[in-house]
Amino acid sequence: AQKITQTQPGMFVQEKEAVTLDCTYDTSDQSYGLFWYKQPSSGEMIFLIYQGSYDEQNATEGRYSLNFQKARKSANLVISASQLGDSAMYFCAMREYEGGTSYGKLTFGQGTILTVHP
Amino acid sequence: DTAVSQTPKYLVTQMGNDKSIKCEQNLGHDTMYWYKQDSKKFLKIMFSYNNKELIINETVPNRFSPKSPDKAHLNLHINSLELGDSAVYFCASSRGFLGNQPQHFGDGTRLSIL
Repeated sequence: AQKITQTQPGMFVQEKEAVTLDCTYDTSDQSYGLFWYKQPSSGEMIFLIYQGSYDEQNATEGRYSLNFQKARKSANLVISASQLGDSAMYFCAMREYEGGTSYGKLTFGQGTILTVHP
Repeated sequence: DTAVSQTPKYLVTQMGNDKSIKCEQNLGHDTMYWYKQDSKKFLKIMFSYNNKELIINETVPNRFSPKSPDKAHLNLHINSLELGDSAVYFCASSRGFLGNQPQHFGDGTRLSIL
């Protein structure tokens, strides 16, 4: 079964508007972490934001916020006031902590290509 | 000032050759990783080392052999390259493998097999 699912292969948004990128996950662990990464066309992977399974508040980092709904197992990324430079591939990833065998590995979703229009 | 650096950035070679990719991090992290990103952009863990010890070895062919001479370096050697090895290989590091520490990625090495 897919552990991380990003159902939107591509998204479009107008500059200065907000956009939500969806991510759902599947785990039986109680303790886990969710990460979002950005991959611009130049290819590097840039860490954006983290949400722990026990965090009660939604994570925020500048224009990025995470809409964490634990019961629904979703961790959607919200980008406010989109900029042209936000055009990139966005990956949701999960790190599971229990069981002792994950050793920190990240399991990635398929990614969502975001295009910001002027 | 590069935190995680990989060399080379591009690698074009023929089937059957042996090649190595080097990775170094100057963040003082204990844990390093190799990921493979295929042509569909899917990223998958290959290996992880913590304090020079192998802790993750996903189902990767034996032709791939990681080596960690010290905590700051994790190199990847690939024997008898095959067409299916064409991909972008990312090195990453983190402060340990537990908790909320993000993994910091290198810029990737694009391997093309002719």
